[in-house]
Amino acid sequence: DAGITQSPRHKVTETGTPVTLRCHQTENHRYMYWYRQDPGHGLRLIHYSYGVKDTDKGEVSDGYSVSRSKTEDFLLTLESATSSQTSVYFCAISETLRENTGELFFGEGSRLTVL
Amino acid sequence: AQKITQTQPGMFVQEKEAVTLDCTYDTSDQSYGLFWYKQPSSGEMIFLIYQGSYDEQNATEGRYSLNFQKARKSANLVISASQLGDSAMYFCAMREGWLYNTDKLIFGTGTRLQVFP
Repeated sequence: DAGITQSPRHKVTETGTPVTLRCHQTENHRYMYWYRQDPGHGLRLIHYSYGVKDTDKGEVSDGYSVSRSKTEDFLLTLESATSSQTSVYFCAISETLRENTGELFFGEGSRLTVL
Repeated sequence: AQKITQTQPGMFVQEKEAVTLDCTYDTSDQSYGLFWYKQPSSGEMIFLIYQGSYDEQNATEGRYSLNFQKARKSANLVISASQLGDSAMYFCAMREGWLYNTDKLIFGTGTRLQVFP
């Protein structure tokens, strides 16, 4: 199994508070992604990174920021959490997609509840 | 516009029967990839099968096969001889942007499959 660790796995917070989710990989993969999963919406891409300090927005990036200062860590920050950001967040990694099938390896997910 | 469409929110199939899960996609890229993932109730995402846009043969992996119809932009998953353990959520996904160094996977909304004895 790919070495991906998400932390925290569960978090309950209040509206307006900042939240940071961490994704740590031991595979030295170039690409890292943050998705959120909500019933009826499947997995939606929030932000992704294609290298250290190289990040880009996904389809639902409003209210989220990311940082990647090291290959192994990709942080997702909610500057001021809202109830609409209650979700399960998945981190995923991949090798350079051009050179293989582009399979994503997923972390176990982080369940965030914003009250 | 949705790039990956899964029109079946839920499907039922009897054990040992085959089932087809539908997926259509939309892209203007000439080169792309299509994936299916399984998510059991435990929550982990499990890669099942991949089809490249230039692959002439339909992909197969054990009991899973991908019915790829390029002109119709469909990539349906066929599960043969269903088992109770196949009960899960199934997601179709498409890789895009590889030409521009911004590879990413876009997912559909999923189909929940329930296998009954």
